[in-house]
Amino acid sequence: AQRVTQPEKLLSVFKGAPVELKCNYSYSGSPELFWYVQYSRQRLQLLLRHISRESIKGFTADLNKGETSFHLKKPFAQEEDSAMYYCALSGRGNQFYFGTGTSLTVIP
Amino acid sequence: DAGVIQSPRHEVTEMGQEVTLRCKPISGHNSLFWYRQTMMRGLELLIYFNNNVPIDDSGMPEDRFSAKMPNASFSTLKIQPSEPRDSAVYFCASRPRIGGLSPLHFGNGTRLTVT
Repeated sequence: AQRVTQPEKLLSVFKGAPVELKCNYSYSGSPELFWYVQYSRQRLQLLLRHISRESIKGFTADLNKGETSFHLKKPFAQEEDSAMYYCALSGRGNQFYFGTGTSLTVIP
Repeated sequence: DAGVIQSPRHEVTEMGQEVTLRCKPISGHNSLFWYRQTMMRGLELLIYFNNNVPIDDSGMPEDRFSAKMPNASFSTLKIQPSEPRDSAVYFCASRPRIGGLSPLHFGNGTRLTVT
């Protein structure tokens, strides 16, 4: 069963425009949600997690249990935001599920 | 903390050869995961260990793949014999605690090319 869905494989926005990367999940119970970022040819890095309710590099994500979504948002995209973004879910036991990722390109 | 350390960073080998990828998790972390990343399939979980014990290896593609964790500070992923379709980036990740809120910490990956 698909646990984490990222519907957009590719997303392009202009510098300064708002950006939203979509993530929907399917899980019974209360999952923990994360966003990871991978810059070109580098390791995956934790960007933020829903429990922290923090803003990292201007990005925020709100868990919407009614819509089972955890979309990543930034009001003004920067060129350095160009990267691959993965939504992830931590479930029972030690399972850790990743979406297929969205490649974000910020056009100067 | 040096983070999760993987070696080698790059591996080029010929089809049929044995390949061994290595991982040193962050000290004190209880769980270790191996992932494979390709353009076609994205991130795939191969196997994970809790307290050095393999828990779920259902993602291991076939018997040519094997993974071990002889102690809390070392794990290997072996492919024997290797095939061109095994070409990918292999990531190791560790986790401070089993489950819940603790995130995964990734290594820099090993880029494997099988010719």
